Amino acid sequence: QKEVEQNSGPLSVPEGAIASLNCTYSDRGSQSFFWYRQYSGKSPELIMFIYSNGDKEDGRFTAQLNKASQYVSLLIRDSQPSDSATYLCAVLYTGNQFYFGTGTSLTVIP
Amino acid sequence: DAGVIQSPRHEVTEMGQEVTLRCKPISGHNSLFWYRQTMMRGLELLIYFNNNVPIDDSGMPEDRFSAKMPNASFSTLKIQPSEPRDSAVYFCASSFSGLREQYFGPGTRLTVT
Repeated sequence: QKEVEQNSGPLSVPEGAIASLNCTYSDRGSQSFFWYRQYSGKSPELIMFIYSNGDKEDGRFTAQLNKASQYVSLLIRDSQPSDSATYLCAVLYTGNQFYFGTGTSLTVIP
Repeated sequence: DAGVIQSPRHEVTEMGQEVTLRCKPISGHNSLFWYRQTMMRGLELLIYFNNNVPIDDSGMPEDRFSAKMPNASFSTLKIQPSEPRDSAVYFCASSFSGLREQYFGPGTRLTVT
């Protein structure tokens, strides 16, 4: 089992819809979770981070953390074509080990 | 504010040659990270420094790779000798708070022929 698992996609949603991206992890003691967006040929860009159970909202983005089930989600409301990118989940494990998932490719169809 | 700066942006070299990648972190950040990204393996953390000191180099693939951070504003990743399987995009990232919110540079695309 990989440390951080993501569905590689591609995930396609129509413009204006909600895009839901998921990430599971295997270290129950993990405390810190991050979402990065990477456009093709560009570097990863930090868009959200969450440290505690529940939801964190920032504009059209919401990160949801469920520690009991060991997953973290990213919801993108009112999806725009400019949101088309690969979304990388990253988790800070206990023992200061940091892992990225392989990413989910999102395409927003106009 | 300037972000993380990396040079060169592209590097093409022949197998066996030495390659040096350079990074300037964001001013005020005390942690610096080197990553490698390939289609096959995704984004891998190679090494990270905290206050110029290497903390974890367990991701460095082999002895051909070495990294230094002589001061708070400069780091290098060296590959000697380079091999075709080293071809990848190498990213440098920095943060204010260790292995948390990291900000990436534009990357160096390395091609070893």
